[in-house]
Amino acid sequence: GQQLNQSPQSMFIQEGEDVSMNCTSSSIFNTWLWYKQDPGEGPVLLIALYKAGELTSNGRLTAQFGITRKDSFLNISASIPSDVGIYFCAGTLRGAQKLVFGQGTRLTINP
Amino acid sequence: GAVVSQHPSRVICKSGTSVKIECRSLDFQATTMFWYRQFPKQSLMLMATSNEGSKATYEQGVEKDKFLINHASLTLSTLTVTSAHPEDSSFYICSASEVGGYTFGSGTRLTVV
Repeated sequence: GQQLNQSPQSMFIQEGEDVSMNCTSSSIFNTWLWYKQDPGEGPVLLIALYKAGELTSNGRLTAQFGITRKDSFLNISASIPSDVGIYFCAGTLRGAQKLVFGQGTRLTINP
Repeated sequence: GAVVSQHPSRVICKSGTSVKIECRSLDFQATTMFWYRQFPKQSLMLMATSNEGSKATYEQGVEKDKFLINHASLTLSTLTVTSAHPEDSSFYICSASEVGGYTFGSGTRLTVV
């Protein structure tokens, strides 16, 4: 099926560092969503993007909907221990309702 | 914000038995809900789209007779894993679409012994 290519697969950083991850596709997406999943829990929505070029912030998180509609990035500034988890990008294709997920980025923060 | 409640959070069942998982939208009506399966260290894989009052739409490779979906009301969808086997052990997650995005339940860890 349709896939989103999410990178990097994992990140090991020091507390206080900034983080950047992105998703790309060969297809055009209508929406881009970024989720965080903690172990044993469902994904929690962080940021939702609906327009090409849209740049949205949620606290220390910033995400952008790529101008070509085929990519998106998520930045986390000044990471803290509770940022640890798996981050997923997800999107909906034109005319479709179901979400397509990226492979996830596992973030580990070294004390 | 929108809340989706999923129960049970964990279930252990014997091989050959059936297990029902419930997904409820608590403060909004959801004409469409989605069921996902997630293996350890992998992404969410869509199993089926649940439509209120009509048959579910299953993704390719998902056995509709094994994974029965019922969406009888605007706030409740159920997934029944029939004749469960150890290979059905997984993390099952539901979600509902609403204004502003898709909200997920907290997941159900199914272990078939």
